[in-house]
Amino acid sequence: AQRVTQPEKLLSVFKGAPVELKCNYSYSGSPELFWYVQYSRQRLQLLLRHISRESIKGFTADLNKGETSFHLKKPFAQEEDSAMYYCALSGRRGATNKLIFGTGTLLAVQP
Amino acid sequence: GAGVSQSPSNKVTEKGKDVELRCDPISGHTALYWYRQRLGQGLEFLIYFQGNSAPDKSGLPSDRFSAERTGESVSTLTIQRTQQEDSAVYLCASSSRTGNGNTIYFGEGSWLTVV
Repeated sequence: AQRVTQPEKLLSVFKGAPVELKCNYSYSGSPELFWYVQYSRQRLQLLLRHISRESIKGFTADLNKGETSFHLKKPFAQEEDSAMYYCALSGRRGATNKLIFGTGTLLAVQP
Repeated sequence: GAGVSQSPSNKVTEKGKDVELRCDPISGHTALYWYRQRLGQGLEFLIYFQGNSAPDKSGLPSDRFSAERTGESVSTLTIQRTQQEDSAVYLCASSSRTGNGNTIYFGEGSWLTVV
């Protein structure tokens, strides 16, 4: 069965500190992994996806198939990074399919 | 329209009443999703429509919940005999078939409060 686990409900860091939001998944095939972000009073939006291997707003995430993880990292947190972050998994490469989300991690960056 | 549109944005209803929530996806998007987000919790998958295929209803929590979509247009999520535990934000999202994975675009949600 598809499952996404985000073990931390809340992650609080100080501005300038490194950030790592954890995500582990369970899927028997080749998954597509994503991070979505929801800023205060805004709609949920895509942050990045593993197949693009891109850095968005200083965030990166590497798919580790051996550890079945897709942790989101940023070397120096900014206050504007404070938001709810969701890891998500899709089951089939190259085809539209439903996304399964984790329960989310609230990132709070303190000044 | 430019994005996924949902209505109503807010709904307060009495326990036991039926409610309908509407979603207008982005034009041309073949896939449409409904999710539920209870206060302080993550996104809970409800139902997924993909083109003319049979919908994936595996996330619907009970038979009081149903959803319809005509073709690749508007979808309606119906909750019958609402209960207080149905209070949540109901999010709709749509996506198009792409070769680079599955980017979905969310609406702003319909806030449902059952009193």
